[in-house]
Amino acid sequence: DADVTQTPRNRITKTGKRIMLECSQTKGHDRMYWYRQDPGLGLRLIYYSFDVKDINKGEISDGYSVSRQAQAKFSLSLESAIPNQTALYFCATSDSGRAAYEQYFGPGTRLTVT
Amino acid sequence: GENVEQHPSTLSVQEGDSAVIKCTYSDSASNYFPWYKQELGKRPQLIIDIRSNVGEKKDQRIAVTLNKTAKHFSLHITETQPEDSAVYFCASLTPFTGNQFYFGTGTSLTVIP
Repeated sequence: DADVTQTPRNRITKTGKRIMLECSQTKGHDRMYWYRQDPGLGLRLIYYSFDVKDINKGEISDGYSVSRQAQAKFSLSLESAIPNQTALYFCATSDSGRAAYEQYFGPGTRLTVT
Repeated sequence: GENVEQHPSTLSVQEGDSAVIKCTYSDSASNYFPWYKQELGKRPQLIIDIRSNVGEKKDQRIAVTLNKTAKHFSLHITETQPEDSAVYFCASLTPFTGNQFYFGTGTSLTVIP
């Protein structure tokens, strides 16, 4: 089945370390997104990309960077992790074609910064 | 930017009763309003959505209503079942800020058997 996958699924890291979260999809979608989920705060958009050459900041991009290596791959980096970046991170995809708005989420990466 | 508020944050209902979750939004240009269900430890999944040119949409036991004038939309679940227990998120899509989605803070629904 076509899907959205994330690696790693769980990660514990120390303050100041650089970390990369990866997202891959086999849905053939052109749009990809990174969100973080915190208890009581819902899902907040970090970055999004409508194609390989199009990267946009979301609501909370400070402290994060992204790379769209191919249509199917979108990576999120924390250059110098801090404890308040401890959260559940979701990648999502959507297709600008027929169902332009529906988003499909990956399984999530639980990140803990100590 | 857009601000989406969701109420209540927690909701408990008896099996078979109805559940209603409400969201308000601030940007009158928002034109698409999805609802996602997230079961414990799982990813959010779209359960129903509505576009701004429609007032109501129904899919079996689930319905969504939209009041553009008042800038609010609601999720209605009828004949609730224990498997409806989950966290529900509303969201809005705002075209004038690059087609960003803004999510509500979620409602934890518990259906008591």
